[in-house]
Amino acid sequence: DAGVIQSPRHEVTEMGQEVTLRCKPISGHNSLFWYRQTMMRGLELLIYFNNNVPIDDSGMPEDRFSAKMPNASFSTLKIQPSEPRDSAVYFCASSFGVLSYGYTFGSGTRLTVV
Amino acid sequence: KNEVEQSPQNLTAQEGEFITINCSYSVGISALHWLQQHPGGGIVSLFMLSSGKKKHGRLIATINIQEKHSSLHITASHPRDSAVYICAAIDTGNQFYFGTGTSLTVIP
Repeated sequence: DAGVIQSPRHEVTEMGQEVTLRCKPISGHNSLFWYRQTMMRGLELLIYFNNNVPIDDSGMPEDRFSAKMPNASFSTLKIQPSEPRDSAVYFCASSFGVLSYGYTFGSGTRLTVV
Repeated sequence: KNEVEQSPQNLTAQEGEFITINCSYSVGISALHWLQQHPGGGIVSLFMLSSGKKKHGRLIATINIQEKHSSLHITASHPRDSAVYICAAIDTGNQFYFGTGTSLTVIP
């Protein structure tokens, strides 16, 4: 298995633009997580899905952020409109359950909003 | 108030030393997750545990539910163990609380 695949690896965008980050989880995993990491705030969980259903989105900072998982093999995190404070590394991870084994992280997307 | 506290923040060790990283939490948990972040930024899940002890190679994680404390031990440390180690407490409502990380440097 190729692991959790995130795209793009790097994204530079102008303030106000829409940004879409993509994640392909490991086949067979039924939980998917989106994290954000910054120097100021460290690692934060934004949202997670179980069997394609959003379970907890309390970490999503505001309405500009939205996440979808239309099927078991694909998820997106969208920021619209983007702001400079959204600059961070965004990680996607998948596992066989929230408290289960097989927890695997993607390589991350480094987002810079100028 | 931080729900999860890690210590030490920074740690330098000589190759071969036994290393302990501590994680204390204030919430009732379902599980505690240890993560390793390499200097290149990649994150690896080390352990997910809710009781007792788990071992993988030279890494051992323990948890004391009554004391709300977990430790990560590295035996016979090696320069390739140099990384940031992060603990995350997952409470009974599946909320995640992250420590700020322990930066470990192992010198040859």
